[in-house]
Amino acid sequence: AQTVTQSQPEMSVQEAETVTLSCTYDTSESDYYLFWYKQPPSRQMILVIRQEAYKQQNATENRFSVNFQKAAKSFSLKISDSQLGDAAMYFCAYRSAWDTDKLIFGTGTRLQVFP
Amino acid sequence: GAVVSQHPSWVICKSGTSVKIECRSLDFQATTMFWYRQFPKQSLMLMATSNEGSKATYEQGVEKDKFLINHASLTLSTLTVTSAHPEDSSFYICSAPGQSSYNEQFFGPGTRLTVL
Repeated sequence: AQTVTQSQPEMSVQEAETVTLSCTYDTSESDYYLFWYKQPPSRQMILVIRQEAYKQQNATENRFSVNFQKAAKSFSLKISDSQLGDAAMYFCAYRSAWDTDKLIFGTGTRLQVFP
Repeated sequence: GAVVSQHPSWVICKSGTSVKIECRSLDFQATTMFWYRQFPKQSLMLMATSNEGSKATYEQGVEKDKFLINHASLTLSTLTVTSAHPEDSSFYICSAPGQSSYNEQFFGPGTRLTVL
């Protein structure tokens, strides 16, 4: 079975600085999708960024980028120029390319942003 | 992007009563929807997969008779918490996969259930 691990329960960053959130996963599959979701205090889950396993190029969405290391089964999220609105819980998630659309979530990382 | 709504956003009920939570995909059809439960400061725990026109698939350890799921149409899934007890108090979130190749999940805003 696949598992997703987020080893940082909490992280903090100064506004305008850069922070990296870690995520590792375990799978025997070769094709899958990885996601980072943000959950602000409103608790609405928001998709931040996504990555297909067969794409070597790291995904980027404005200030958010990932470092996808398939061999190491690592999928870290880098937030550049951090803003106060980035403060939230961040969840890493895995989805098999062959199974259902079911997501497997990590335990989350709470990000605090200080002015 | 795709929008998923949930109703109600917040509900308080007495112990022993049943509560129904609705999940709707507003601008797309969803043959599958997912129901999650989230305790404070914890991750989302998948409870079940709702399948349009057929029975739901429950995750191990989730009581089927306790959490009734009905997926009556391509845009509506309902979760009924039967004979609710205080330990059922939680935040319930639904999601539906989008139409892209990623089939990324679009999440509802969640329903906070408090059982007195």
